[in-house]
Amino acid sequence: ILNVEQSPQSLHVQEGDSTNFTCSFPSSNFYALHWYRWETAKSPEALFVMTLNGDEKKKGRISATLNTKEGYSYLYIKGSQPEDSATYLCAFKSGAAGNKLTFGGGTRVLVKP
Amino acid sequence: GAVVSQHPSWVICKSGTSVKIECRSLDFQATTMFWYRQFPKQSLMLMATSNEGSKATYEQGVEKDKFLINHASLTLSTLTVTSAHPEDSSFYICSARDWRHENTGELFFGEGSRLTVL
Repeated sequence: ILNVEQSPQSLHVQEGDSTNFTCSFPSSNFYALHWYRWETAKSPEALFVMTLNGDEKKKGRISATLNTKEGYSYLYIKGSQPEDSATYLCAFKSGAAGNKLTFGGGTRVLVKP
Repeated sequence: GAVVSQHPSWVICKSGTSVKIECRSLDFQATTMFWYRQFPKQSLMLMATSNEGSKATYEQGVEKDKFLINHASLTLSTLTVTSAHPEDSSFYICSARDWRHENTGELFFGEGSRLTVL
């Protein structure tokens, strides 16, 4: 069983503040790390798919970094807005697991106006 | 593009009855779909991989006779919870891969179905 952990489980952020949270995953047999954003009553949507150690991806105010050697990824939200409120999921794909993704428990972000 | 629709959004049924959940890819063909289950405060757990035209591949610990998966067309996979019991109450969500996004490998998800078994 692959262990994918996200921390914290939840966090409250004041509008305008920046925040970040972590996804840790096995450092061996890495293939890809996905980040998804899941708003209440909607479908999870892909933010990033990261495959290279040291990679950094950005979409608007949201960015992510990847360290495959130590097994962690950070997701950053700059200047949080209420519409950023969602659960952010990371998912790990092992090179030995075929098409399967193993999800972390998610970080629930609530941005307060 | 790459829209996945799942129905019903929520369902309440009596213990012992069967419930069918549908997952449709609306604007693409999905040879492979994935069914996940999420219990409260836990992560999405893969139940099975649904393969068009062939048998589903179930994860360890998931009863194939309990959770019947049918993927008869390139746009539809169904999950039937047979003889449902209260412990089957959970959130079920499907996802699919779109060959147009094969280079990224990202999944496209349905909205999920919340099952409550009384």
